[in-house]
This record gives sequence, structure tokens and C-alpha cells, in this order.
Amino acid sequence: EADIYQTPRYLVIGTGKKITLECSQTMGHDKMYWYQQDPGMELHLIHYSYGVNSTEKGDLSSESTVSRIRTEHFPLTLESARPSHTSQYLCASGNRGTAFFGQGTRLTVV
Amino acid sequence: RKEVEQDPGPFNVPEGATVAFNCTYSNSASQSFFWYRQDCRKEPKLLMSVYSSGNEDGRFTAQLNRASQYISLLIRDSKLSDSATYLCVVNIEYGGSQGNLIFGKGTKLSVKP
Repeated sequence: EADIYQTPRYLVIGTGKKITLECSQTMGHDKMYWYQQDPGMELHLIHYSYGVNSTEKGDLSSESTVSRIRTEHFPLTLESARPSHTSQYLCASGNRGTAFFGQGTRLTVV
Repeated sequence: RKEVEQDPGPFNVPEGATVAFNCTYSNSASQSFFWYRQDCRKEPKLLMSVYSSGNEDGRFTAQLNRASQYISLLIRDSKLSDSATYLCVVNIEYGGSQGNLIFGKGTKLSVKP
């Protein structure tokens, strides 16, 4: 089993709140990713990182931001949550072209 | 044109059937290839890598055709537990960069008793 963890697993929060989704991996992978996925739909890459102090935006425009201060940690922050942010957020890490995913955070903004 | 294209399905097959999925990719810089499996409301998990020479893992066989830029996955003697969405994934590397994983939309398989 891959050692990548996301918290919280489920989050219901009010509009306008600031939230941070946590993602940690203990495999020492340099590459980490954040994907957004609605039920039954495709994965959309929203952020990725090649290593410490490296962050890039993905294919899908997102109002979220990320940071990579430590290799093992890649948190995603929404400064002001909106109902349109309701989705599942999946974190992954990997190397040599493979990716191991966390169990995801299901976010609902009411 | 999407970088990775798959037939979304669903493929509805009886138990024991053989089913094949194809996937095409547009970027010739693609260097490594994979099939992932995603169960309903779960995270994707690596099923197998795909090599030019073709590779087999039990009932699963993956093939890569670089000239035609497509990848295939064959499942023999399908089981109920094979029901899932199968994601085609390519890793594209540019120069010395580490590249990026590009996921297809996935092909949904439903195996019926």
C-alpha cells in the first residue's frame, strides 16, 4: 500500500471560509500532484510540484494555491470557499511516471 | 484534440468474457505508459505499466504501438470484481524535465453475472 495521506476525508464548510486540504507522503517522492474530480467525471490536474519550492499550475484553472516547503508535505488552500468548489480533491505523489493517490477529500461548500 | 483519448463506454459484458480497451495519445514525446483502475468513489490505483514488447499480468495484457500511438488493455475471463473505470495514462517528458502524467477520461467496464 502507498503511504500517502489526505486529511480531512470529508469536509462541509460555509461559503467564504478559508480551508486547507492536507496531503503528506512518506515515500520521499519529489513529484506531487493535486487533482480535482467530480463524481463519474475525469480527473483534472490543478497543481503539481517537482520538489521543494517548486509549484506549477495544472491544466484546470483553479482558485486554490499550493506550497511545497517540505518534500513530504503538499497542502492546498482555498482562501474563500464557494459552492462551485464542491468536488473531490485527490493528492498524488510519484516518480518514474507513476503516481500513488491518497484517498481524497470530499469537499462540500454550502 | 485531447492528449489522451479513450472510449468512455460503458462496456457491459458477461462474466467470463474477454474485453479490450484502446487508448490513443497525440504527443509523440510520450515516454511511458500505464493503465490505472478506479473503483466507484475511490482513488485511482496503478494496474500495470505498458511496455513496447507487450506485457502480461495474469488475466491482463497490455500492448503499446508507438508507430500508431495507441495503447491497449485486454482482460480475459472477466470477473465481477473487474467492474471499474480503467484510465489510460501517459508520461510526457520534455528535455531534462521530469514530465507530467496525462490521464485519459477513462473507460467504464461493468461485468454482469
